[in-house]
Amino acid sequence: QSALTQPASVSGSPGQSITISCTGSSSDVGSYNLVSWYQKYPGKAPKLIIYEGSERPSGVSYRFSGSKSGNTATLTVSGLQAEDEADYYCCSYAGSSTYVFGTGTKVTVL
Amino acid sequence: QLQLQESGPGLVKPSETLSLICAVSGASISASTYYWGWIRQPPGAGLEWIGNLHYDGRTYFNPSLKSRVSISVDTSRNYVYLRLTSVTAADTALYYCAGYGDFDSFDVWGQGTMVTVSS
Repeated sequence: QSALTQPASVSGSPGQSITISCTGSSSDVGSYNLVSWYQKYPGKAPKLIIYEGSERPSGVSYRFSGSKSGNTATLTVSGLQAEDEADYYCCSYAGSSTYVFGTGTKVTVL
Repeated sequence: QLQLQESGPGLVKPSETLSLICAVSGASISASTYYWGWIRQPPGAGLEWIGNLHYDGRTYFNPSLKSRVSISVDTSRNYVYLRLTSVTAADTALYYCAGYGDFDSFDVWGQGTMVTVSS
């Protein structure tokens, strides 16, 4: 069970859109529509922002959206704001009731 | 509102057993359809799924930790336990308890408890 691959860092200016990729395999991301995304500030617990690939929990900004193509899931943050500066992690169901997280991406707002 | 609070010893010696508690409030473990999970984050590294306990009592673990880990519950206290044996410095991490619910994701998290493995 290998960690899903994410870019170590992504940056953008306020108002821009950024995308974070999450690449797995046919054993996890590619086989299930069960990718979730978490936002994590330093010293804070992760917060769910996307579930089932593209669904947003109540209270999460519409600026966050998710999609998937093949073995790669993508988180898009549109209209980037200073408060979006955080670490982001994807997570996928990997079969047999197991789960795997991504390597994490640090988002910097320039 | 479901809330989770982890607690533990903070410092564990190499080769010993790490034991953590997750106190669940706002819902009864025995009546809940949540899965209860443990996730950790080593310093400077990413999140790692450790394992889940399903409401039917079955447990599932990260293959890399399966031989050393167990998860259990005490429904009378509304606690979820994590036990990790034969720890090494590589087990030093911030350990989170999380609930896996109707959103097919970890939608509720505790604040985490730091565990350092050192002699």
